[in-house]
Amino acid sequence: AQSVAQPEDQVNVAEGNPLTVKCTYSVSGNPYLFWYVQYPNRGLQFLLKYITGDNLVKGSYGFEAEFNKSQTSFHLKKPSALVSDSALYFCAVRDDNTGKLIFGQGTTLQVKP
Amino acid sequence: NAGVMQNPRHLVRRRGQEARLRCSPMKGHSHVYWYRQLPEEGLKFMVYLQKENIIDESGMPKERFSAEFPKEGPSILRIQQVVRGDSAAYFCASSPKGQNTEAFFGQGTRLTVV
Repeated sequence: AQSVAQPEDQVNVAEGNPLTVKCTYSVSGNPYLFWYVQYPNRGLQFLLKYITGDNLVKGSYGFEAEFNKSQTSFHLKKPSALVSDSALYFCAVRDDNTGKLIFGQGTTLQVKP
Repeated sequence: NAGVMQNPRHLVRRRGQEARLRCSPMKGHSHVYWYRQLPEEGLKFMVYLQKENIIDESGMPKERFSAEFPKEGPSILRIQQVVRGDSAAYFCASSPKGQNTEAFFGQGTRLTVV
């Protein structure tokens, strides 16, 4: 069965430093991977996706993600964190059989001034 | 193009009442997903629907919960005889057909059972 795991409940970063939010996946076929961000009391916003092609995917708000097939990882990155990036981040994978989106448990990102 | 619209944004129900949550997908989207989010928890998949079809309802509780996505009109998530444990944020998402498409989320309905 398809699944994603986000091993860190929380990531703390100083403003201006690079950030990484980790995600590993397990799929039986081709991986379709996504990152979303959720601000307090809001719905999820799409950041970026990996379907095929370049392993480095660029998305919204300066975020990017690196697809690594050998490590089955899809880590979210940003070269220079902003305080406004503080939010809850979700990694997701499409189920090969039904097409539903399966989400990780989420990682809270705290960027401190 | 309006985004995914959910209503109401907030819903208060007494124990034993029914809750109806509505979701209008983005224009041109034929796939709808419902998720539940409890405080300090992640998103739990409930049901995946296409127009007039339930594709995957593996996350739906066996009793009291039902969902539909009719040919015309919004998708409805219905919870009968609500209990305190049903209090949560319920999110709807929609996408066009295709495995490589992202889903877009509504703002959610926050259900409080008193």
